[in-house]
Amino acid sequence: GAVVSQHPSRVICKSGTSVKIECRSLDFQATTMFWYRQFPKQSLMLMATSNEGSKATYEQGVEKDKFLINHASLTLSTLTVTSAHPEDSSFYICSAREGQISNQPQHFGDGTRLSIL
Amino acid sequence: GDSVTQMEGPVTLSEEAFLTINCTYTATGYPSLFWYVQYPGEGLQLLLKATKADDKGSNKGFEATYRKETTSFHLEKGSVQVSDSAVYFCALSDIGNQFYFGTGTSLTVIP
Repeated sequence: GAVVSQHPSRVICKSGTSVKIECRSLDFQATTMFWYRQFPKQSLMLMATSNEGSKATYEQGVEKDKFLINHASLTLSTLTVTSAHPEDSSFYICSAREGQISNQPQHFGDGTRLSIL
Repeated sequence: GDSVTQMEGPVTLSEEAFLTINCTYTATGYPSLFWYVQYPGEGLQLLLKATKADDKGSNKGFEATYRKETTSFHLEKGSVQVSDSAVYFCALSDIGNQFYFGTGTSLTVIP
């Protein structure tokens, strides 16, 4: 089945550090990938939709200069949290869709637990 | 707009009990419907899906039937196990390819 790999699984770093998270579709091509943020015991909050070869589409309230997204190839999207602060600590999850039709599910990575000290 | 409404948890059941997690949706046209499961500290895994009315998705003993007349996609399992403890998300994908998730239902199964 479709596999999405997300790396790293956990990051602990100091305030002011920039952190890059990678999301790869291992056995399929994904023209569109998604980045979510999840707070404890809450649902997923869509941050942005990443489109291969073009700019990401950010949801309202998400700072695009804070959360940089690059989708350089059909199998890789990256999220960079720039100058991270403690309030950016969260669980970040990426997903990818195998096709462009509505009956295709999203396939999720295992998430990245980001902790900013 | 389109949306998914999921029963609130948490749900606590004894092992071998019957499970129902309700999910209803609002959508234009004929969306595709999904159930995802999230184990602690992990991402979401696709559990099952149904793409048209009266379809039944099933996997690992879980089932859900796409009911257009009641706009529902309730998740059921006849006999839960401790290993089923997780958070379950109902989701839909609409004709515009937008994805909508429910708020998640936490299930704890006790021995």
